[in-house]
Amino acid sequence: DVKVTQSSRYLVKRTGEKVFLECVQDMDHENMFWYRQDPGLGLRLIYFSYDVKMKEKGDIPEGYSVSREKKERFSLILESASTNQTSMYLCASWVNTEAFFGQGTRLTVV
Amino acid sequence: TQLLEQSPQFLSIQEGENLTVYCNSSSVFSSLQWYRQEPGEGPVLLVTVVTGGEVKKLKRLTFQFGDARKDSSLHITAAQPGDTGLYLCAGANWETSGSRLTFGEGTQLTVNP
Repeated sequence: DVKVTQSSRYLVKRTGEKVFLECVQDMDHENMFWYRQDPGLGLRLIYFSYDVKMKEKGDIPEGYSVSREKKERFSLILESASTNQTSMYLCASWVNTEAFFGQGTRLTVV
Repeated sequence: TQLLEQSPQFLSIQEGENLTVYCNSSSVFSSLQWYRQEPGEGPVLLVTVVTGGEVKKLKRLTFQFGDARKDSSLHITAAQPGDTGLYLCAGANWETSGSRLTFGEGTQLTVNP
């Protein structure tokens, strides 16, 4: 079974902190994604990567950056956390028209 | 950005009833998928449709892709409490957007015993 693992289920951070969300997949998939999920808004794409060191902005990249130094790991970075970044963050890897999601990280910025 | 609109946003029904969830767009998609998400978990793929007019069945769930590949529906027959969850449609257009996957807002289904 494909496994996508996010490093934390719950995080509480202070405004202005730099936050790292880690995601690891074990199936050698080239495509990986970061979404945030908010009630009534569905899943919104922040960034995606189709290869090591390659990244593309999604629909809402402002305030975020990403890193993909190894194929299996895709990191989402909040440069200076703000309260409007409180959300559920979902990482996914993608192959052959199927996306496999991690369990999500619920981030609260106080 | 390609947009997908789902309706209804919320649905609360009694066990045994039938229901249909709709996913509509003005854009053409190469493939369209339906996911189900339970609280505290990531979405899990139910089905992928790629051919206009395609119908797929998964036990009591029937999925249809529109002829023009711009819309899809999910029909559940004789709903059960175990069907409760958030249903999400997602589309990809390989020609214009590559591997980028766009999601609808989701339909929160509650099936009451």
